[in-house]
Amino acid sequence: EDKVVQSPLSLVVHEGDTVTLNCSYEVTNFRSLLWYKQEKKAPTFLFMLTSSGIEKKSGRLSSILDKKELFSILNITATQTGDSAVYLCAADNYGQNFVFGPGTRLSVLP
Amino acid sequence: DSGVTQTPKHLITATGQRVTLRCSPRSGDLSVYWYQQSLDQGLQFLIQYYNGEERAKGNILERFSAQQFPDLHSELNLSSLELGDSALYFCASSVGGGAFFGEQFFGPGTRLTVL
Repeated sequence: EDKVVQSPLSLVVHEGDTVTLNCSYEVTNFRSLLWYKQEKKAPTFLFMLTSSGIEKKSGRLSSILDKKELFSILNITATQTGDSAVYLCAADNYGQNFVFGPGTRLSVLP
Repeated sequence: DSGVTQTPKHLITATGQRVTLRCSPRSGDLSVYWYQQSLDQGLQFLIQYYNGEERAKGNILERFSAQQFPDLHSELNLSSLELGDSALYFCASSVGGGAFFGEQFFGPGTRLTVL
């Protein structure tokens, strides 16, 4: 059965800290790994990763995929209170299914 | 605002009933995806339509069905409702729809409460 695991499930940090969120997957016919940020309601897209070792960056956020070890990390540097959200990763198996992890709830305190 | 609209925002109904949730994708997007999010199950992919045709199927129950119309809006039909169907139902859309989920834009969701 396809599975995506995230750790930690919950994290509390202070503004300015750097955090690393982990996502591991077991998916048949894996094609891509996606990260989403979910604040109050709908998830918003962050990154899509398809190749190992290529870091994707957007401002203070970055992510990388390791297809050999079947995991991805999402880094957030110099965290701000606006980064408080649930971060979801999801694995796509060539469009047959799209499996989400449970999410990491990040709380950034002022 | 993602450009994806969903109606209604909230829906309260009783067990055994049938409801229809509606989604209009972003202008130009051909794919529509449906998701269910509950506290115990997290976010689960239900089904995808691309340009009117079913493209991928996830954990969708047989009591649930969906369709995408020629104007590309989509409806999710939930029947014989049970208490456990109470959840937030999201619709998302994307430009493409092949064997590649890619970047999706989520609507605000419909909160379904089954009493």
